[in-house]
Amino acid sequence: DIQMTQSPSSLSASVGDRVTITCRASQRVSSYLNWYQQKPGKAPKLLIYAASSLQSGVPSRFSGSGSGTDFTLTISSLQPEDFAIYYCQQSYSSPRTFGQGTKVEIK
Amino acid sequence: QVQLVQSGAEVKTPGASVRFSCKASGYTISTYAIHWVRQAPGQSLEWMAWINAGNGDTKYSQKFQDRVTVSRDTSANTAYMDLSSLRSEDTAVYYCAKDGVGKQHFDFWGQGTLVTVSS
Repeated sequence: DIQMTQSPSSLSASVGDRVTITCRASQRVSSYLNWYQQKPGKAPKLLIYAASSLQSGVPSRFSGSGSGTDFTLTISSLQPEDFAIYYCQQSYSSPRTFGQGTKVEIK
Repeated sequence: QVQLVQSGAEVKTPGASVRFSCKASGYTISTYAIHWVRQAPGQSLEWMAWINAGNGDTKYSQKFQDRVTVSRDTSANTAYMDLSSLRSEDTAVYYCAKDGVGKQHFDFWGQGTLVTVSS
């Protein structure tokens, strides 16, 4: 199985901050990398697919980059509704493994 | 609008089985695959199984291969997952999720079903 490792595991940030979360795959996954946001008690929500494509309806402050083994999710200006847990997921091979999550908290 | 509505919470004893349902609306279930993902309390997401809702092909995580069966009823626009030989470690929220266009991401998720396994 492909292991996905996110860093950091958690971070504290203020509204308006630029936030960057990284995800590293244990082997190359090309651009088959997705990002999801999950709020407490809710299902995950797709933000970014194929490493850098913004899902319909997702604010443009979210962006993704990378290919191969190293990927980044960036929130350009953190908003109050962005405090959540973020997960990366590879869809290059089965099983479609997820990272351990990055919790974004209010500073 | 696309929606996946899952069955309600369950409490089971160790060794029992449980059936999850995932009813799709806003699209025809046979058009896209349905995946099943679980999340234990405070933990990350874990992919369990997949069904091509069109032709019924299935694929399972090796971890659950012996205990999981996924199926679908196209006339009911509903997918199902059966999980057997439950143990306390199976206590989790179980989600169904739909493949997106391109089939490489999950664009819609059900609300989740909490299963508690306790004696």
